[in-house]
Amino acid sequence: TQLLEQSPQFLSIQEGENLTVYCNSSSVFSSLQWYRQEPGEGPVLLVTVVTGGEVKKLKRLTFQFGDARKDSSLHITAAQPGDTGLYLCAGVIGNQFYFGTGTSLTVIP
Amino acid sequence: DAGITQSPRHKVTETGTPVTLRCHQTENHRYMYWYRQDPGHGLRLIHYSYGVKDTDKGEVSDGYSVSRSKTEDFLLTLESATSSQTSVYFCAIRGTWRDTEAFFGQGTRLTVV
Repeated sequence: TQLLEQSPQFLSIQEGENLTVYCNSSSVFSSLQWYRQEPGEGPVLLVTVVTGGEVKKLKRLTFQFGDARKDSSLHITAAQPGDTGLYLCAGVIGNQFYFGTGTSLTVIP
Repeated sequence: DAGITQSPRHKVTETGTPVTLRCHQTENHRYMYWYRQDPGHGLRLIHYSYGVKDTDKGEVSDGYSVSRSKTEDFLLTLESATSSQTSVYFCAIRGTWRDTEAFFGQGTRLTVV
């Protein structure tokens, strides 16, 4: 059983649609991150959220950290084909990064 | 880009043979991690290091060992490879315990036949 569960696991949408990806856990994290991974590459950091209830925006991407610091969401507005990729959340506890199960997003032109 | 190099990038090996994967960094970061990535599981931590000769187990450490004799190198060894260890292996580095970002290598695709 993984510490962080992401949903949905797969998502295929049309260009211009909105979507939300969820990252849930029963554990409390000191911070939570979202990474994006392209095929054949390692994950690359998109954002880090530290404070419970924090909301960060990165262009069309909005990230929220739950009040209890156990969960997070990623919302994409008006998705574009360039958003296609694997999205991973990661929670930090002490020295360790615990990754979610991943959400594979495909945006169809 | 963070200076992380994984070698080899691809490897095919036979069941029962030993395999060593190397992670080399030029950032002088204290923390180094080995993860494996499998469909439906995201990234799972195998072992990590918090300094030279200081290592600890992650959630899927059985069948793997690690060594870190220098700051820049972190080796992952499969003593006797099994088909269940077919995976993509990623190394990651982190500067200090305050740093919230991990930088990843490009991965090693290992196939055990």
